[in-house]
Amino acid sequence: AQKITQTQPGMFVQEKEAVTLDCTYDTSDQSYGLFWYKQPSSGEMIFLIYQGSYDEQNATEGRYSLNFQKARKSANLVISASQLGDSAMYFCAMREGRKTIFGAGTRLFVKA
Amino acid sequence: NAGVTQTPKFQVLKTGQSMTLQCAQDMNHNSMYWYRQDPGMGLRLIYYSASEGTTDKGEVPNGYNVSRLNKREFSLRLESAAPSQTSVYFCASTRGAGRLNSPLHFGNGTRLTVT
Repeated sequence: AQKITQTQPGMFVQEKEAVTLDCTYDTSDQSYGLFWYKQPSSGEMIFLIYQGSYDEQNATEGRYSLNFQKARKSANLVISASQLGDSAMYFCAMREGRKTIFGAGTRLFVKA
Repeated sequence: NAGVTQTPKFQVLKTGQSMTLQCAQDMNHNSMYWYRQDPGMGLRLIYYSASEGTTDKGEVPNGYNVSRLNKREFSLRLESAAPSQTSVYFCASTRGAGRLNSPLHFGNGTRLTVT
């Protein structure tokens, strides 16, 4: 069964606007971690932001924030003030126990 | 500052051939992972090693074997390559399985084509 679901295969956003990338997850563990990674066209994987299951506040890292709704099992990534360089694939991931699993990804296109 | 180094970067194999993908990290990480990336499917976990001396199957282990040679090195072997194994392979490492907030550090990937 798919444990990480990213329902948006592709998204468009206008430069300087905010965009939300959706992620829902499924786990029976109480302790887990949620991550977002960015993959530009060059192919490398870049860590963006982390949210722990026990964290009461939403994580923020610069223009990135994570809208964490534990009861709904969602961990949406919000990018504020989009830039052309934000065009990339974005992956949601969950660590439970000893392994990390990924969603299928969302390709974001930022329009000038 | 090398981080995670994967070799080779590109490889073409014929069906039935074998090969080993090499991965080494210099960050003193305990846990290492092999993923494959296919269009529309994200990254799928093949095998992982939570610590030196242990290996475990991930989501898609069939057709692969791994060796955790030491703390630094984790190799992935295809014994008899099949076209379905055409993919981009990523090695990753992290400080330790118990550290939930430790992100994965990735190598640059190996693009494998099996004809």
